Amino acid sequence: QKEVEQNSGPLSVPEGAIASLNCTYSDRGSQSFFWYRQYSGKSPELIMFIYSNGDKEDGRFTAQLNKASQYVSLLIRDSQPSDSATYLCAVIGNRDDKIIFGKGTRLHILP
Amino acid sequence: EAQVTQNPRYLITVTGKKLTVTCSQNMNHEYMSWYRQDPGLGLRQIYYSMNVEVTDKGDVPEGYKVSRKEKRNFPLILESPSPNQTSLYFCASSRLAGGNYEQYFGPGTRLTVT
Repeated sequence: QKEVEQNSGPLSVPEGAIASLNCTYSDRGSQSFFWYRQYSGKSPELIMFIYSNGDKEDGRFTAQLNKASQYVSLLIRDSQPSDSATYLCAVIGNRDDKIIFGKGTRLHILP
Repeated sequence: EAQVTQNPRYLITVTGKKLTVTCSQNMNHEYMSWYRQDPGLGLRQIYYSMNVEVTDKGDVPEGYKVSRKEKRNFPLILESPSPNQTSLYFCASSRLAGGNYEQYFGPGTRLTVT
């Protein structure tokens, strides 16, 4: 059974600091990796997609992928109170197109 | 405006009464999928479709059916709902183009089966 693991949190980070969210996955053949943000009572929103080893930056967000160690992380620079949400990590495996989600990390940015 | 619509948004029904939750997208995306979200269990994929007439099971397909007769629509069918299918359901559509992934979720359908 493929698994995606995240620390459930809550992770509390002061405003303006860097928030670091981590995710590990069990399927070594996984090819595509996603980070979503979900506000309470709302739909998930895709914020990062990464498929190559290394870093991918988009505004204040940086996704880091390390396939050898089977982890993907999300860094949020200059954290804002509006970044307070649950962040979901998801993975697509090599053999099919199923998307497996982690259970999410609750992030709380302290004003 | 890119949009995924789901109907109904809220539904209370009784065990065994067949129901359909509709999902429609206006972005001509090939990939569509259904998820359920439960406290403590996170988001789990029920079914997905790579294109018209192509559907595959996700992680939790038992008790659900889907069809993809048109590219824009991907209804979720519960032939005989049971209380353990009480959940928040999301439909999503997506595509991979030029190394970028575009994905949108619908607003969700909160289903209660008594």
